[in-house]
Amino acid sequence: AQRVTQPEKLLSVFKGAPVELKCNYSYSGSPELFWYVQYSRQRLQLLLRHISRESIKGFTADLNKGETSFHLKKPFAQEEDSAMYYCAPCREGTSGSRLTFGEGTQLTVNP
Amino acid sequence: DAGVIQSPRHEVTEMGQEVTLRCKPISGHDYLFWYRQTMMRGLELLIYFNNNVPIDDSGMPEDRFSAKMPNASFSTLKIQPSEPRDSAVYFCASSLAPLGAGGDSPLHFGNGTRLTVT
Repeated sequence: AQRVTQPEKLLSVFKGAPVELKCNYSYSGSPELFWYVQYSRQRLQLLLRHISRESIKGFTADLNKGETSFHLKKPFAQEEDSAMYYCAPCREGTSGSRLTFGEGTQLTVNP
Repeated sequence: DAGVIQSPRHEVTEMGQEVTLRCKPISGHDYLFWYRQTMMRGLELLIYFNNNVPIDDSGMPEDRFSAKMPNASFSTLKIQPSEPRDSAVYFCASSLAPLGAGGDSPLHFGNGTRLTVT
């Protein structure tokens, strides 16, 4: 079955430390992958997409087709990065494309 | 634009009652999605519409759930009868274009409706 896995429900780091939020997918082919973020009291919003190869708020994510992973990384975490992060592959199907979210990782950056 | 608007923000109801959640997508967005968020299962896609037509409802849990989109600016998600296990945050989202390959439009989410069924 096609699925996306975020193995850590909770992740806690100290300010200034590197952070990596893991995401593994089992989709066949070349799915397009996204990271969405939900800050406290804010709407869920797009953080970045792999196809654009951009860095947003210091975060990057590299698609590793060999490992079927799309881990989100930031070299120096900030307190304002504390949020819920969702990895989301886009699956193309006969009924159109759909975005499926992982279970999410709650990141807490401690001062 | 005020973004995707959902109502109510909170809903508390008793088991067996009918619940209707409402969503107004961003004007001009042709795609509308309903998601459910729980601690155990994260964000699950329930159903999505394209140009008011339901495209994929395979995520709808059971017949107690139904969704409609009578026009481009309004959609409802109805649960009848509601059960305690339906308690969750329900999100509506819209997008301008198809997602994925060839599409260049992110999902815009509403603030969600927190449903509690006692």
